Amino acid sequence: AQKVTQAQTEISVVEKEDVTLDCVYETRDTTYYLFWYKQPPSGELVFLIRRNSFDEQNEISGRYSWNFQKSTSSFNFTITASQVVDSAVYFCALSERGGANSKLTFGKGITLSVRP
Amino acid sequence: DSGVTQTPKHLITATGQRVTLRCSPRSGDLSVYWYQQSLDQGLQFLIQYYNGEERAKGNILERFSAQQFPDLHSELNLSSLELGDSALYFCASSVVGAGGAKNEQFFGPGTRLTVL
Repeated sequence: AQKVTQAQTEISVVEKEDVTLDCVYETRDTTYYLFWYKQPPSGELVFLIRRNSFDEQNEISGRYSWNFQKSTSSFNFTITASQVVDSAVYFCALSERGGANSKLTFGKGITLSVRP
Repeated sequence: DSGVTQTPKHLITATGQRVTLRCSPRSGDLSVYWYQQSLDQGLQFLIQYYNGEERAKGNILERFSAQQFPDLHSELNLSSLELGDSALYFCASSVVGAGGAKNEQFFGPGTRLTVL
């Protein structure tokens, strides 16, 4: 069975600090997909990134970067120079290969508070 | 805006009642997923439909049912409601091409259900 663990529950930083959100996953599949979603106070879930299990290249998008390490089953998310608008709950999710069956298994989420 | 619409935004009802939540997927997306977000259970997959057919089931109670219509919109029916059913219900859609799992899911704004 697949499982996603986000051990950090709440993180508080001061604006402009860098912050890393951890994600550890478990799966028996050799092909799988990892995702990060953001849930701001307004409540919607916003897709941030998808990573394939066979592509271990790190990715950077503006102030966001993702570090995927298969050896440690981790897919960590770093926000550089955090801003107040980054305050949200961040979810890591896993989807195993299964044709059209691609349900997401979510972690419990990390509440990030960025103080001015 | 993800392109996924859900109605209503808020729903307040009493125990024992039945409600219907509605979802319209993004244009062109054939797959619809329903998730429940509650404080104690987190974000949990309920059920998936693909082009009108049920494709996968998660932790969905027998009191809950769903369907996807020919125009691809979906409805989630919740009956004999209990206090514990109070939650945020999300609908998501994805394209689901070959090897479906890689396609990211785009979430609607959610329906907040309060059972009194």
